[in-house]
Amino acid sequence: DTEVTQTPKHLVMGMTNKKSLKCEQHMGHRAMYWYKQKAKKPPELMFVYSYEKLSINESVPSRFSPECPNSSLLNLHLHALQPEDSALYLCASSQDPGTVGNQPQHFGDGTRLSIL
Amino acid sequence: SQQGEEDPQALSIQEGENATMNCSYKTSINNLQWYRQNSGRGLVHLILIRSNEREKHSGRLRVTLDTSKKSSSLLITASRAADTASYFCATGNSGNTPLVFGKGTRLSVIA
Repeated sequence: DTEVTQTPKHLVMGMTNKKSLKCEQHMGHRAMYWYKQKAKKPPELMFVYSYEKLSINESVPSRFSPECPNSSLLNLHLHALQPEDSALYLCASSQDPGTVGNQPQHFGDGTRLSIL
Repeated sequence: SQQGEEDPQALSIQEGENATMNCSYKTSINNLQWYRQNSGRGLVHLILIRSNEREKHSGRLRVTLDTSKKSSSLLITASRAADTASYFCATGNSGNTPLVFGKGTRLSVIA
């Protein structure tokens, strides 16, 4: 069992739909991340939240909108996605936002997203 | 951008054999981490080695780091079928620079 919980596990949506991915951790971590991973590729960083504030946006298209309501929750709102956005979306957390590259990250099992 | 480059891209071994994966990187780092990803699952952190360390052990895992060659290796001894997974190295620096993942090695351990 992972300590980072992501829901839903699978999501199929049309290009005109609006949906949200959710991520929750109760380890007291203050840095949270969204990654996108295509098959047989490494995870690609999308966003980093530090102390509930967006600190890094890796030039992600605006059809992806992150939100961090509190220190335990991270959402990714999806709207007007394209077929090439189909991928595994991973959430991760780490303890100290001041040194995001200097400590282990804890990953959820991801949401498998398919865009029709 | 990717910094780590794993070698080989894929590796197939018999159960009980040792598996060695290598990671090379381009710029100076603060630390290097190894992660495992089973099919359809998230990444699991295995080990972190800092730039002032040369070798680290965790159970059947042994990681080495050679900063002069900008390379690291992950050795899994006495492999098991359950070790079948993709293995990624990730390089990190101090401050607010996020981890950069390599392309990964797909390991298959055949029973």
